[in-house]
Amino acid sequence: EAGVVQSPRYKIIEKKQPVAFWCNPISGHNTLYWYLQNLGQGPELLIRYENEEAVDDSQLPKDRFSAERLKGVDSTLKIQPAELGDSAVYLCASSLERSDTQYFGPGTRLTVL
Amino acid sequence: GNSVTQMEGPVTLSEEAFLTINCTYTATGYPSLFWYVQYPGEGLQLLLKATKADDKGSNKGFEATYRKETTSFHLEKGSVQVSDSAVYFCALLSGGYNKLIFGAGTRLAVHP
Repeated sequence: EAGVVQSPRYKIIEKKQPVAFWCNPISGHNTLYWYLQNLGQGPELLIRYENEEAVDDSQLPKDRFSAERLKGVDSTLKIQPAELGDSAVYLCASSLERSDTQYFGPGTRLTVL
Repeated sequence: GNSVTQMEGPVTLSEEAFLTINCTYTATGYPSLFWYVQYPGEGLQLLLKATKADDKGSNKGFEATYRKETTSFHLEKGSVQVSDSAVYFCALLSGGYNKLIFGAGTRLAVHP
């Protein structure tokens, strides 16, 4: 069974440029999460989807970050414009509904110059 | 609010040594507790979990016991291998929210 797929794995951009990350969850998982992992720290939840509905986006900086999950499967996380402090690893995870086990993708490492 | 505190790393051990990584938590209610492992260049993988007090989670020779009285979930392994070198994250799941709260992670380096 395929795991959570993320792309790209690495991205280097200039500050003020836009960037987007893509996530394909495990088939059948209707819950999808985006996490931010700063260097030397644990992941922090940005947003959680149940199907196509964002049920917890309280930690998403909405002035520059946006996310969508239009058909309740794939998801895209966007930053516009990127700032130096956005350099981090962006992790996607998925789980079955009402399951306590989340499965993580390999992450996208973003470097903002 | 809910939080997780892990011992700082790096932890450096020789192969076959005993491993303990301390983890304590602060939470309302009765959270589920987890250990995740992150190998170099890979995503986080669930290592083990425990969902109620006195439960013991175990996997691949690793164990952790949910201690409500000390609010702890320490990770142990009797004999580490070089292949166990990774970053280990303790986490709790706040009830009803499916929100994992992670500790800062502890890097383990095992030398032959």
